[in-house]
Amino acid sequence: AQSVTQPDIHITVSEGASLELRCNYSYGATPYLFWYVQSPGQGLQLLLKYFSGDTLVQGIKGFEAEFKRSQSSFNLRKPSVHWSDAAEYFCAVALDSNYQLIWGAGTKLIIKP
Amino acid sequence: DAGITQSPRHKVTETGTPVTLRCHQTENHRYMYWYRQDPGHGLRLIHYSYGVKDTDKGEVSDGYSVSRSKTEDFLLTLESATSSQTSVYFCAISQATGGTDTQYFGPGTRLTVL
Repeated sequence: AQSVTQPDIHITVSEGASLELRCNYSYGATPYLFWYVQSPGQGLQLLLKYFSGDTLVQGIKGFEAEFKRSQSSFNLRKPSVHWSDAAEYFCAVALDSNYQLIWGAGTKLIIKP
Repeated sequence: DAGITQSPRHKVTETGTPVTLRCHQTENHRYMYWYRQDPGHGLRLIHYSYGVKDTDKGEVSDGYSVSRSKTEDFLLTLESATSSQTSVYFCAISQATGGTDTQYFGPGTRLTVL
């Protein structure tokens, strides 16, 4: 069955440190890939998405993600986190234009002062 | 702001009662979705709509029904609420489905079934 795995339920990072959140998917073909962020008590906001082309994608709020076909991964990175980045991050995948999004379980990011 | 509102924002109800949640959009998007969010599960699709009166089931549709009589409104109904339906419900909209367009989310409805 198709699935999206975010291996880390929680990640704690010091303010100013770098961040990498992992996302792996299980599909045969290259899917469309997304990262969303959810601040406490809020809805979800799109950070970035990958459809095709350059495998390094830039998003909002200084985030980037890299698609690695050989590893079936789409990891999210930020060089220096801010306290306002504390939130839950979700990876999502769609197979093609006629398929709904399949979501990972989320990774909660905690920022240490 | 994607022009999506959900009502009510919070609801507490009792087992066995019917509940209807409303999603309203102001931007004439074709596709609308209902998800539920539970800890450890991320978001799971309940139903979606690809036009007025056109709906289809998602991953966790049992116990839920939907209706879309106008482009701007997508209703989710729990015919007889159960405690397992306690969750946060999100509506989303997009101009295209799946990967070809961004899904924009409403603020959510927190439903508690006692």
